[in-house]
Amino acid sequence: AAGVIQSPRHLIKEKRETATLKCYPIPRHDTVYWYQQGPGQDPQFLISFYEKMQSDKGSIPDRFSAQQFSDYHSELNMSSLELGDSALYFCASSLGTSDSYEQYFGPGTRLTVT
Amino acid sequence: DAKTTQPPSMDCAEGRAANLPCNHSTISGNEYVYWYRQIHSQGPQYIIHGLKNNETNEMASLIITEDRKSSTLILPHATLRDTAVYYCIVRPLGIRFGNEKLTFGTGTRLTIIP
Repeated sequence: AAGVIQSPRHLIKEKRETATLKCYPIPRHDTVYWYQQGPGQDPQFLISFYEKMQSDKGSIPDRFSAQQFSDYHSELNMSSLELGDSALYFCASSLGTSDSYEQYFGPGTRLTVT
Repeated sequence: DAKTTQPPSMDCAEGRAANLPCNHSTISGNEYVYWYRQIHSQGPQYIIHGLKNNETNEMASLIITEDRKSSTLILPHATLRDTAVYYCIVRPLGIRFGNEKLTFGTGTRLTIIP
């Protein structure tokens, strides 16, 4: 079965640079979520989109922005990168019309800021 | 969302049943209990969810107490591949916007011992 695809899988950037992470949800899934997991920490919710509209927002820095496109893929844009942004970034997708809103996670993008 | 409490770590012998407890004494009537797990640095994986009845699927069983203040995830025949961090999450269902994110606590680190 098709899964959530994230690209790139690994990314190395320097401080103050920008990064763009991409997420391709499971076909027919209309909701996308972004989570950040720092070293030794638990995943923390950043932001979500339903039908291309922002549906919820967590502790996402103002330096980050995201959007969901017409084909339902999503991009997380990160500017003025800081060392503390080094983390695993997970994207998850779900089907809004399902009964349980189960979220299916991608393999993550490991961002390293040097 | 209701707060959950889980033991930080547990061991289980390979082939035995792993029983992971979760307390959620402040759970509301419209909140479901979800279980996810995260195998080292992989994306979290949905396991099972329930409201008040016991549930079983191909991965696990979920036992929810009658007062719904606690639950137990049961992996019937644990294998080495079940070594992971297991998260018990409580969240409402059926609300389209603003309540779909997963709030991960510290979870239980389950180690399956050969």
